[in-house]
Amino acid sequence: GQNIDQPTEMTATEGAIVQINCTYQTSGFNGLFWYQQHAGEAPTFLSYNVLDGLEEKGRFSSFLSRSKGYSYLLLKELQMKDSASYLCDGGANNLFFGTGTRLTVIP
Amino acid sequence: NAGVMQNPRHLVRRRGQEARLRCSPMKGHSHVYWYRQLPEEGLKFMVYLQKENIIDESGMPKERFSAEFPKEGPSILRIQQVVRGDSAAYFCASSSRGSLQETQYFGPGTRLLVL
Repeated sequence: GQNIDQPTEMTATEGAIVQINCTYQTSGFNGLFWYQQHAGEAPTFLSYNVLDGLEEKGRFSSFLSRSKGYSYLLLKELQMKDSASYLCDGGANNLFFGTGTRLTVIP
Repeated sequence: NAGVMQNPRHLVRRRGQEARLRCSPMKGHSHVYWYRQLPEEGLKFMVYLQKENIIDESGMPKERFSAEFPKEGPSILRIQQVVRGDSAAYFCASSSRGSLQETQYFGPGTRLLVL
């Protein structure tokens, strides 16, 4: 079966760093995606990890540990526009999303 | 290059009516996925289609829901005899190859409201 766990909500201050964790259990693994979804909008792709380690892309970085079934998304220099839900997507065929972490950035 | 297109963006139906949601994948993409998102919840996979084939429909409710992706034209998600619980945002995504290790590009969604 598939199971993905993320915190439901997080709050962080503008300019700070925040780490959003995701743990997964799956019968098959083909990489882990992170998507961003602003309220009322469609999800947009952020990052993809298939090998262990850290992938950096500007202010956003994503980390994967396959042995631990664990990933995190790191957001640096937070901006107000980063307030959104962050969806972790893993599992066989990458069709199984977590419920998302709703991040609120406060001044 | 146009992105994934969905129409209508908003759809209002009364209980018992039929809802038809359309999705045109990104140009060059032959794989389509449908997801449902209830208010305040995450995306739930419904069905994965290629042209003229249903690859995975494990997330589709057993009754009233059907999907197709014909050789020509958009993919259609059809909901018969809608009930209030069907009110949700329905997102379509597409990819150029199979979903394994492939980024999905999402459409803007269709927001269905059942009165």
